[in-house]
Amino acid sequence: EPEVTQTPSHQVTQMGQEVILRCVPISNHLYFYWYRQILGQKVEFLVSFYNNEISEKSEIFDDQFSVERPDGSNFTLKIRSTKLEDSAMYFCATSGLADNEQFFGPGTRLTVL
Amino acid sequence: GESVGLHLPTLSVQEGDNSIINCAYSNSASDYFIWYKQESGKGPQFIIDIRSNMDKRQGQRVTVLLNKTVKHLSLQIAATQPGDSAVYFCAERYSSASKIIFGSGTRLSIRP
Repeated sequence: EPEVTQTPSHQVTQMGQEVILRCVPISNHLYFYWYRQILGQKVEFLVSFYNNEISEKSEIFDDQFSVERPDGSNFTLKIRSTKLEDSAMYFCATSGLADNEQFFGPGTRLTVL
Repeated sequence: GESVGLHLPTLSVQEGDNSIINCAYSNSASDYFIWYKQESGKGPQFIIDIRSNMDKRQGQRVTVLLNKTVKHLSLQIAATQPGDSAVYFCAERYSSASKIIFGSGTRLSIRP
């Protein structure tokens, strides 16, 4: 069964450093999403991406965040200058059509020290 | 704004019994209501969804009920098994928007 993969599984970084989280979507999927989940809390939407541009973003997704598809296969989330409160699980999700099921990856645990 | 919430943070059921997980919502404009299962260390996994113009939908061992009068959503799991142990999230989605809005989760544990 096709699945979304994410790397790394765990990223530890110092406050102020840049991090890039990577996702490999399911082949032929066209809609891409990032969500985050702070420990013990609910999953929160960050951004959606389609046709090489952002479709929608939440208030969390400020100027420190960016997304791109650098090579047509990977989908990345960059945090320019990490803060302590960025520590969370970050999930990538992809779907084939806008209203179809979103398939979630296993997540990247980001720890900012 | 955010409108999906859960009644209880934890639920413990006997193996083999049926489980019922409840959820309340406040935004009547949502077009889809969805249930996700999240096992430890994994991402959310789609279980079942229901459109707002329906009141019941069945899947394999699961049934989702939607009561629009009282804005209530429930997930019923038949013959609960140890593998059903997880956190269950209700969520909503607007047909014209792409994001999913998650509720806060109910942890289901199974007693042997």
